[in-house]
Amino acid sequence: GQNIDQPTEMTATEGAIVQINCTYQTSGFNGLFWYQQHAGEAPTFLSYNVLDGLEEKGRFSSFLSRSKGYSYLLLKELQMKDSASYLCAPMDSNYQLIWGAGTKLIIKP
Amino acid sequence: GAVVSQHPSRVICKSGTSVKIECRSLDFQATTMFWYRQFPKQSLMLMATSNEGSKATYEQGVEKDKFLINHASLTLSTLTVTSAHPEDSSFYICSARTGAANEKLFFGSGTQLSVL
Repeated sequence: GQNIDQPTEMTATEGAIVQINCTYQTSGFNGLFWYQQHAGEAPTFLSYNVLDGLEEKGRFSSFLSRSKGYSYLLLKELQMKDSASYLCAPMDSNYQLIWGAGTKLIIKP
Repeated sequence: GAVVSQHPSRVICKSGTSVKIECRSLDFQATTMFWYRQFPKQSLMLMATSNEGSKATYEQGVEKDKFLINHASLTLSTLTVTSAHPEDSSFYICSARTGAANEKLFFGSGTQLSVL
């Protein structure tokens, strides 16, 4: 079957760095997306990785290892507005996104 | 980036009535649109995939006669929840893709449906 494993909840301090890990199993693979979702709102796109390695975009970076079925999202210089759920969504061979419940990130002052 | 407009953002209706939710791509042509529902603290659940001018493809367990999807043009898709019941209360979200199958999705703002 297809599945995604992310921590349910994480807590971090404003100004710090946090890494959200994701392991996945899919039927085929066509890249992996990270989305941010604030409570009561729709997801917004953060990053897309299709090759191994690190993609950096401002305060956010995303890493992918296809052989390990592993990705992480790295958030630097955390701000209160970063409090949200972060969704790891790999894309399978049919170009279907597989969604997990995401990781709820709580930022404390 | 591309913008997807979804409305209404919130609707409260009586049990047995029908509710229509619209999803529009404002500055691009959406070859494919997706409809999701999401219960609190749970993952997005894909309900159906629609391509302009053709019938929607529903996921297993989703009743196509209850959740009517019309993708009449490259910029508009509608979801109608027919004879709504309290268990249909959920957050419904549409998303659109501009072209290639591995391109990112642009999401609408979502519709919170509450059925009394």
